[in-house]
Amino acid sequence: EVQLVESGGGLIQPGGSLRLSCAASGFTFSSYWMHWVRQAPGKGLVWVSRVNGDGSSTNYADSVKGRFTISRDNAKSTLYLQMNRLTAEDTAIYYCAREMSTTQCFDSWGQGTLVTVSS
Amino acid sequence: DIVTTQSPDSLAVSLGETATINCKSSQSVFYSSNNKNYLAWYQQKPRQPPKLLIYWASTRESGVPDRFSGSGSGTDFTLTINNLQAEDVAVYYCQQHYTTPPYTFGQGTRLEIK
Repeated sequence: EVQLVESGGGLIQPGGSLRLSCAASGFTFSSYWMHWVRQAPGKGLVWVSRVNGDGSSTNYADSVKGRFTISRDNAKSTLYLQMNRLTAEDTAIYYCAREMSTTQCFDSWGQGTLVTVSS
Repeated sequence: DIVTTQSPDSLAVSLGETATINCKSSQSVFYSSNNKNYLAWYQQKPRQPPKLLIYWASTRESGVPDRFSGSGSGTDFTLTINNLQAEDVAVYYCQQHYTTPPYTFGQGTRLEIK
C-alpha cells in the first residue's frame, strides 16, 4: 500500500525557515516524480514544486521560486521542502503527492502538514 | 499558463439524484497524438487530502465507483455523479495535466446534500 507521511509543520514567525519531510513507503520511490501541493485555510489547491526521480530536475511555482527548495533522498525514500523567508501567505496545509506515471496527475497524497506563519 | 474555471462554485443535490460539475480550460487540453484530453478530477472530503477520481477526462481511477463519470473534450468538461450518496459530500477539483508545470487546479466546487 502506498503511504506518504508528512512532518515538520508548525508555527513559525514571518521571515523564518522550516523544512518539511514526506516519508514514502509501499512503492519504488526513485521511480516517481514527487510534488508538494498546498492549501491555504478554506481555499483551493495550489501546486508548489516538483522533483524528478533522481533529484536532478526541479520546478517551482512563481510564488515560491527563490525561497523554497525541493529535494529528495532516495535511500531514505523521503521528500523534502526547505522553506525560507516565509510570509503569512505561505500559511497552508502542505501535501506531498506522487505523480502517476505518464499522466501528470496525482494518484497518491499524504495527509498533509500545517504550516502557520504568524508573529 | 492554462487556467481552469469550474462551475458552479457550490451546489446542493438530493440523495439519489445526479450532480453535474463543469470545468472549462482557457485552452484546449486535447493531445491529437494519442487522442486524449488531459483533464483530471479530484474529490476532497472534509479534513482529508484530495483523492484522484478521473484522469484523461474519462478514465476512472482504480476503485472509484462507476457512479462517477467524466466527459468532455477540448476545453469543456463535466464530472457527473449519478445516484448521489451521502458520502459524496465533498469539494471537487478539476486539474489540467496537459502543460506542466505549473499544474493548475480549478477553484473547486462544493457539493452538499439538499
